[in-house]
Amino acid sequence: DAGVIQSPRHEVTEMGQEVTLRCKPISGHNSLFWYRQTMMRGLELLIYFNNNVPIDDSGMPEDRFSAKMPNASFSTLKIQPSEPRDSAVYFCASSSNGVPEAFFGQGTRLTVV
Amino acid sequence: AQKITQTQPGMFVQEKEAVTLDCTYDTSDPSYGLFWYKQPSSGEMIFLIYQGSYDQQNATEGRYSLNFQKARKSANLVISASQLGDSAMYFCAMTQRDGNNRLAFGKGNQVVVIP
Repeated sequence: DAGVIQSPRHEVTEMGQEVTLRCKPISGHNSLFWYRQTMMRGLELLIYFNNNVPIDDSGMPEDRFSAKMPNASFSTLKIQPSEPRDSAVYFCASSSNGVPEAFFGQGTRLTVV
Repeated sequence: AQKITQTQPGMFVQEKEAVTLDCTYDTSDPSYGLFWYKQPSSGEMIFLIYQGSYDQQNATEGRYSLNFQKARKSANLVISASQLGDSAMYFCAMTQRDGNNRLAFGKGNQVVVIP
């Protein structure tokens, strides 16, 4: 298996622009997580899906952030409009019910200027 | 609410020596899981080891072992025979055993292995 695949690996955008981050979970996994990593706040959970349904989005910082999972093999995290404080590494992870560990993608390093 | 505490400053360890990374946690749930992840300078998050709150034995995975002391709410990671490739940030995390695997992470420990 190729593991969790995220794209792009790096994104530089101007403030106010829309940014879309993409994730392909490991085949057969039915839980998907979006995390954000910053120096100030560390790793924090943004949103979690189970069987393509958003279960907990309490970590989404504000309405500018939205996430979708239209099918079991694809998810997006969208920021519109982006702001410099959104600069961070965004990780997608997936896991299978009944198996404790979650596997992470390589992350997307987002820089908003 | 769950809380993970990692307070050690950055650590230097001699190659081939063992190193212990401290992690304490706080939860009111009787059932939970504890994890360690490694993040090298390249940035990816690598799963290392898992311990369930009801597991009787301390978890081991190759050179990694987890010193689980439930009463003290600690889950220290021991890396034996350190290698240069072990230089990385190490994160302790926990999840509730409610079937969803959401992770709460500590701030991390920086380890540098020196030859």
